[in-house]
Amino acid sequence: LAKTTQPISMDSYEGQEVNITCSHNNIATNDYITWYQQFPSQGPRFIIQGYKTKVTNEVASLFIPADRKSSTLSLPRVSLSDTAVYYCLVGESPSSASKIIFGSGTRLSIRP
Amino acid sequence: GAVVSQHPSRVICKSGTSVKIECRSLDFQATTMFWYRQFPKKSLMLMATSNEGSKATYEQGVEKDKFLINHASLTLSTLTVTSAHPEDSSFYICSARDHRRQSNTEAFFGQGTRLTVV
Repeated sequence: LAKTTQPISMDSYEGQEVNITCSHNNIATNDYITWYQQFPSQGPRFIIQGYKTKVTNEVASLFIPADRKSSTLSLPRVSLSDTAVYYCLVGESPSSASKIIFGSGTRLSIRP
Repeated sequence: GAVVSQHPSRVICKSGTSVKIECRSLDFQATTMFWYRQFPKKSLMLMATSNEGSKATYEQGVEKDKFLINHASLTLSTLTVTSAHPEDSSFYICSARDHRRQSNTEAFFGQGTRLTVV
């Protein structure tokens, strides 16, 4: 399983765009990149998943450069409710037996 | 979307007693479920992989006799913390994937169970 490295914490303000970058230098050819969000005392919630280039959904965008050794989660116009821990995970997504191993995550704090 | 439900959401028990936590996939079948524990301000730590109809696979350092896992059906896995002690107090989370979906798919997580051993 590819190891991921993320900033431990980030601060921003309401209305700003927040970009959280994750490094995964040892990503394998079959690996996908998935981001989860976790609020205190809740289970993680899926945000977005991608393999290469750019993926966008109603919540976020995921930018993946050509070498796939890093990825950036972009949250547009954050609000106070986006304060949470964000996890970047790398692994074989379609396999039902694949373990999901969490790294340390990034603790994002949004201020008024 | 797929839903995973855990029960109870919060439990307090006395030292030496056992506690059972249930994890159900409500609208899909899950051959494999995962159990995690999480301490305050820490990340999720994978404890074991629960396989329907067979023995669970435990991660290194996790006592299989302490944390009993049973995956009796495609929609239910249980984690029993036996002879609980205060150091077992933690947030326990289960996860499951919908195996019918062929495309890339995320895992779905339960809401977690806060266990406090007094």
